[in-house]
Parts: sequence; structure tokens; C-alpha cells
Amino acid sequence: NAGVTQTPKFQVLKTGQSMTLQCAQDMNHNSMYWYRQDPGMGLRLIYYSASEGTTDKGEVPNGYNVSRLNKREFSLRLESAAPSQTSVYFCASSEASLDTQYFGPGTRLTVL
Amino acid sequence: AQSVTQLDSHVSVSEGTPVLLRCNYSSSYSPSLFWYVQHPNKGLQLLLKYTSAATLVKGINGFEAEFKKSETSFHLTKPSAHMSDAAEYFCVVRTLIMGGYNKLIFGAGTRLAVHP
Repeated sequence: NAGVTQTPKFQVLKTGQSMTLQCAQDMNHNSMYWYRQDPGMGLRLIYYSASEGTTDKGEVPNGYNVSRLNKREFSLRLESAAPSQTSVYFCASSEASLDTQYFGPGTRLTVL
Repeated sequence: AQSVTQLDSHVSVSEGTPVLLRCNYSSSYSPSLFWYVQHPNKGLQLLLKYTSAATLVKGINGFEAEFKKSETSFHLTKPSAHMSDAAEYFCVVRTLIMGGYNKLIFGAGTRLAVHP
């Protein structure tokens, strides 16, 4: 099993550009999550999807949108990137919303 | 409100010596607690979890943690450090949001260095 996969691994954007981060899981999990990791701050939740067809805001949703494309895939979109969005982005999934979360390898994003 | 404090941002040990990574939590009810490890340029891997069963929890790679309610602590230990243990470690508490959502609150992380 691949577990949770994320693409791309690295990305550099200019301010104002848009992009979509892709996440897929092959564990048949119902719940999926997007986090960002900044130095000295641990991980903070951007958006989550408790089940296919639902999405909700987390702690830091401003500047982001998400799509739960199907049970496997959960994408994160930056419509107009800003330098403050320079971060490492992690996708995670869990069997149900109360279960252990499993993380992907991350996407390192730099916005110039 | 739930919160997590990792008391040391950096810990340095010699190979073969014990490891202690300290974590205190704040929770208004009996929490679920986790330790995750992140090796350089990798994702987070679950080391162990406490979910109100035995207070001493054994995880992977020889790590264990003890839940102490009276001290609101969940410190991570290993008897003998290995070079491959060098990584960043996150203490995490799980909260319940209305509607049953499983929210994780992360500590700021402790970077463990292991010297020969």
C-alpha cells in the first residue's frame, strides 16, 4: 500500500499565481485533512473532510479552498498565492473522524 | 480548551543513552494523546497513542510514554538512543468538536539530535 500520497513534492510560485496540491489515499479512509507546518508552530489544520461530499474549515482556512473529488482524493487550492503561504503542506487521512490520522510526505511550497 | 506544551525545543543525547522528551497537556476531559515522529523531509509517522487504556503505552522502535493524569504529562522515553532516532517529535492531543470531528492539536515539536 502506498498510504497517503501527495503531489508535487516541491513548488515555487510567484505572488498571485494559483495552484492545486493533490492528495490521494488508498486505505479506503472516510476522513481527510490538510495541514500546514510552519517553524516552531507544529501543524495547523486548514480544512478537513469528515466524509465524501463534505468539507469544513479548520483553524487557518483563509486563502485556501478544497475539493473532496471522491473518497480517495482531497485537493487543496491556492487561488492567489501570497508569501505568507510559504509552508510545508501535509495531507492526512483517517478511517473515521475519531480514528488515528496517517500523514503523507508533504509538499514544500515557496511563494516569492 | 485543549492545549499541548512540549517543554524542550531541542534535546541532544549520545548514542546508547536514554531519551526523555517532555510533554504536558491541558484538557477538560480525559484526552487521547499521541506521539508522532518526523524524519527530515518526510511525513509524520505515528509512534504511539494513549486512549484511556493502560497508562504506560509502548510504541514502535523501542519508544514508550506514560500518561500521568495528576501531572498532566505524557513524556516520551527510550532506554537507549540510536542514531536513526534523530528526528523531530510531536506530542499531540485529540479533541472532540461538536459533530464528532476529530481535531488534533499539535505541540511545537522537539528536535532530537543523537551524537556518536
